[in-house]
Amino acid sequence: EAQVTQNPRYLITVTGKKLTVTCSQNMNHEYMSWYRQDPGLGLRQIYYSMNVEVTDKGDVPEGYKVSRKEKRNFPLILESPSPNQTSLYFCASSSWPLGNEKLFFGSGTQLSVL
Amino acid sequence: TQLLEQSPQFLSIQEGENLTVYCNSSSVFSSLQWYRQEPGEGPVLLVTVVTGGEVKKLKRLTFQFGDARKDSSLHITAAQPGDTGLYLCAGRTTGANNLFFGTGTRLTVIP
Repeated sequence: EAQVTQNPRYLITVTGKKLTVTCSQNMNHEYMSWYRQDPGLGLRQIYYSMNVEVTDKGDVPEGYKVSRKEKRNFPLILESPSPNQTSLYFCASSSWPLGNEKLFFGSGTQLSVL
Repeated sequence: TQLLEQSPQFLSIQEGENLTVYCNSSSVFSSLQWYRQEPGEGPVLLVTVVTGGEVKKLKRLTFQFGDARKDSSLHITAAQPGDTGLYLCAGRTTGANNLFFGTGTRLTVIP
């Protein structure tokens, strides 16, 4: 089954404790992206990747890191989480051309930073 | 940067009523998509439009891409409780390597 898998589904942590949210897709997609979703603000892009070893900043990259060492995986790293990073996070992937093909989303990770 | 504005932000209607949701921008898009998101899940693609003036139908849902490819609308006929959800438009500008999402319209259909 074609899918994007995110883990964990829920995460509660404390300020400053490094964490990683994993994302994996099984569709051989070149494009992968991370979004955060906050009430009234829609989906805002954090980082995206057009292929292995190619990553770029989205609209709200501050406080986040990503890597794309393998085509299927695109982890999101918070080196020193802060309470304003409490949010619902989604990973997504797509084939090209972007915007013409379906963007597949994971089920989301609800992060709370205390 | 908010390229896509959706209206209304919230909509609560009775079962059987019709409704229209709008997605507007000052930018020109090479393609525009509509997604629906249900609680606890990621957004799911409903439709993609690529040609100015294009109209696509998906059962009771009608999607239109503006002639100038700057805006789009989603019309639902005879809404049902199963239509309840968050509707998101998303567009890609020519040459861009990412997809911009609108602010979303949260629809509630009351039985």
